[in-house]
Amino acid sequence: DAKTTQPPSMDCAEGRAANLPCNHSTISGNEYVYWYRQIHSQGPQYIIHGLKNNETNEMASLIITEDRKSSTLILPHATLRDTAVYYCIVRVRATDSWGKFQFGAGTQVVVTP
Amino acid sequence: DAGITQSPRHKVTETGTPVTLRCHQTENHRYMYWYRQDPGHGLRLIHYSYGVKDTDKGEVSDGYSVSRSKTEDFLLTLESATSSQTSVYFCAISEGGKDEQFFGPGTRLTVL
Repeated sequence: DAKTTQPPSMDCAEGRAANLPCNHSTISGNEYVYWYRQIHSQGPQYIIHGLKNNETNEMASLIITEDRKSSTLILPHATLRDTAVYYCIVRVRATDSWGKFQFGAGTQVVVTP
Repeated sequence: DAGITQSPRHKVTETGTPVTLRCHQTENHRYMYWYRQDPGHGLRLIHYSYGVKDTDKGEVSDGYSVSRSKTEDFLLTLESATSSQTSVYFCAISEGGKDEQFFGPGTRLTVL
């Protein structure tokens, strides 16, 4: 699975959009980009995933560059409850695999009033 | 939220004692996983299961065993707990085809 690089931390003002970058320059054609977050003392929470098209759900948007070497997770209107560690993970989305996810250090996002 | 519970949520035990952690799911998902999380190491996979009685090792399996006799339950056993096994343990499930993993609330284990 391709390795990812994320900034260790970032701050965001409440109500503003939070843009979280992730570099995955060694990504291969069959690898998806996944985003999870972990709020303090809780289990990781799935946010979104994508292959090459931009994706949006009720939580966030995922923008993947055309060459797929980087992506950005967008939280459109950050709230204090979005303060968490955000993990960008790249892996193959097999139809019948055991689905191992390699969690790195992630980005600590702090949303301030 | 996915129906995943872990028990106990907190446990303090002594070195050398056996400990069993339970993960229970109500989603009927095929795959179940045990991770541990420690400062500076992130989440690391201990064992996983791809069906009833079908399990395999993850990256940090030494000192741990697992069992899955029913779809809904995945047990993690520390045969003889050591202080290095003090950690927060998370269970996760996935349907397989969709591949997203959904995590339980965690168990905080302290081995004295």
